[in-house]
Amino acid sequence: QLQLLESGPGLVKPSETLSLICNVSDDSISSDIYHWAWVRQPPGKGLDWIGSIHYTGRTYYKPSLRSRVTISLDPSKNQFSLKMTSVTAADTALYYCTREIESSSGYWGQGTLVTVSS
Amino acid sequence: QSALTQPPSASGSPGQSVTISCTGTSSDVGAYKYVSWYQQHPGKAPKLMIFEVSRRPSGVPDRFSGSKSGNTASLTVSGLQAEDEADYYCSSHAVTNNFAYVIFGGGTKLTVL
Repeated sequence: QLQLLESGPGLVKPSETLSLICNVSDDSISSDIYHWAWVRQPPGKGLDWIGSIHYTGRTYYKPSLRSRVTISLDPSKNQFSLKMTSVTAADTALYYCTREIESSSGYWGQGTLVTVSS
Repeated sequence: QSALTQPPSASGSPGQSVTISCTGTSSDVGAYKYVSWYQQHPGKAPKLMIFEVSRRPSGVPDRFSGSKSGNTASLTVSGLQAEDEADYYCSSHAVTNNFAYVIFGGGTKLTVL
């Protein structure tokens, strides 16, 4: 059974860079048919798609976040990661990693809360 | 890229049917068959209920169905049960300026009366 597990600092200072890793178990991130995505959910609010990556390295980003976000793969560790620069309080959220196929996320991690505060 | 438009709330009595709408544009819902619906219970990760407009993943009851007409997709829950009370989100593949991405709706809180 596929498992996704997010990890990273729970607290990030304003203007700094948020960095998260998603560890993938029982599936290979080098699979041709899947994309690997990040979705966030601010406290008490709705879902917000951040971006995704294919094993070829091709990336897709939410247009309004494109300038601040980088998603990358590490096939040797079966992980993918998210980096978001210049964070503000508006980036405080529960961050999920997911496995996507045809823009649909069938598997989700448990989520990791990231708070942006000084 | 504004979020897809969903009603903030919906409700129905046990056994009844309820339909939740999801309105987008000709650049997302209206253009592609890649519309999904997710169920989220409090404190839990979202669960995929419908993909490609009307297909159900294995294990999702057939009480859940999806459809699309023009720029609006819909999720219908028939034979409402207490455990269906949750937040529901739609999403769609979208393309703007030749950049592809996924866009979510704002979510609908479904209450089973």
